[in-house]
Amino acid sequence: DVKVTQSSRYLVKRTGEKVFLECVQDMDHENMFWYRQDPGLGLRLIYFSYDVKMKEKGDIPEGYSVSREKKERFSLILESASTNQTSMYLCASRISGRGETQYFGPGTRLLVL
Amino acid sequence: GEDVEQSLFLSVREGDSSVINCTYTDSSSTYLYWYKQEPGAGLQLLTYIFSNMDMKQDQRLTVLLNKKDKHLSLRIADTQTGDSAIYFCADMNSGYSTLTFGKGTMLLVSP
Repeated sequence: DVKVTQSSRYLVKRTGEKVFLECVQDMDHENMFWYRQDPGLGLRLIYFSYDVKMKEKGDIPEGYSVSREKKERFSLILESASTNQTSMYLCASRISGRGETQYFGPGTRLLVL
Repeated sequence: GEDVEQSLFLSVREGDSSVINCTYTDSSSTYLYWYKQEPGAGLQLLTYIFSNMDMKQDQRLTVLLNKKDKHLSLRIADTQTGDSAIYFCADMNSGYSTLTFGKGTMLLVSP
């Protein structure tokens, strides 16, 4: 079974703090993704990575950065957290190829005070 | 850009069939997916359909695709209270990399 884990289920941070959200997958998937999920807005893609050290901006990259130093790990970084980044963050991974689906982690619910 | 639309809410009684509808705009969509999200959890793949298919059946789930109208539906037969969740429709872009998700349909199944 594919397993995608996220470092925290719940996180509370203060405005201006630097925040790291970690995602690890154990299936040697090339592609990894970070989404945020907000009520009424669905899932929006923040960043994705095709492979190690590669990254691409998604639909809403502003205020975020990412790091992919190892194939199994994809980190989302909030350089200076703001209250409008309070959200549910979902990580996903997939093997590269036609039609291959994305497998999701359980999510991290982040509250920025 | 690409867009995927779903109705936001559906309420059914246990034992009835549920039909969740989705429309998309990308004419070059290759694969279309249905995901389920239970409270507090990530998304779980339910089923998918390739764009050259009209229908796919998997136990209680039936997916219908009308490519001309860019309309996708998910039918759940004999809906159970455990089917209560948010259902997301998603389409894969022609580059086979990213997914565009709808906003999700909350299905509430009452006893």
